Amino acid sequence: KQEVTQIPAALSVPEGENLVLNCSFTDSAIYNLQWFRQDPGKGLTSLLLIQSSQREQTSGRLNASLDKSSGRSTLYIAASQPGDSATYLCAVFDDSNYQLIWGAGTKLIIKP
Amino acid sequence: EADIYQTPRYLVIGTGKKITLECSQTMGHDKMYWYQQDPGMELHLIHYSYGVNSTEKGDLSSESTVSRIRTEHFPLTLESARPSHTSQYLCASSDYRGGDQETQYFGPGTRLLVL
Repeated sequence: KQEVTQIPAALSVPEGENLVLNCSFTDSAIYNLQWFRQDPGKGLTSLLLIQSSQREQTSGRLNASLDKSSGRSTLYIAASQPGDSATYLCAVFDDSNYQLIWGAGTKLIIKP
Repeated sequence: EADIYQTPRYLVIGTGKKITLECSQTMGHDKMYWYQQDPGMELHLIHYSYGVNSTEKGDLSSESTVSRIRTEHFPLTLESARPSHTSQYLCASSDYRGGDQETQYFGPGTRLLVL
């Protein structure tokens, strides 16, 4: 059964720092891996989607990598800003049951 | 950007009451989902639908039921609310693009508190 783990559970850094969030999954049989952002009182917003055949995706200051063989993904945030404060969720689209399997998220606080 | 709406946003209700959480999307997406999320925890799929008249149970056992009579509407009903149902409920939809490109669009969620 697919399991997704995110480390750390929470992270607080000063504004301007570059940072890395980690995601690991137990079964490499996936269609894609996705990173979402969740703000308090709001729904989830898709940030990046990496197809199983891809190694990375970039959007602005965000870069996500995927290593299927080791079951790992990282989300790199460059030059962090207070507006980046949110919970970041990793999910894999599992090809055995055609569903998204979610990690518990990393709560990120960027201090001005 | 998909438009997906949930009502109510917040609900406080007594034990034993029947409640319906509403979810609507305007994108014409065939697939819709209901997730339950407790604070600091992962999302758990409780129901999903591939289209009109299609409903399936997710991995998380739930005492709720759903219906899909119209493409845009996917309500979730609890016949008799209990304190254990206290949680956040998130509705999502997706258009089929093939597994490797498929993502989901989320509503703002309903926070339910059962006293």
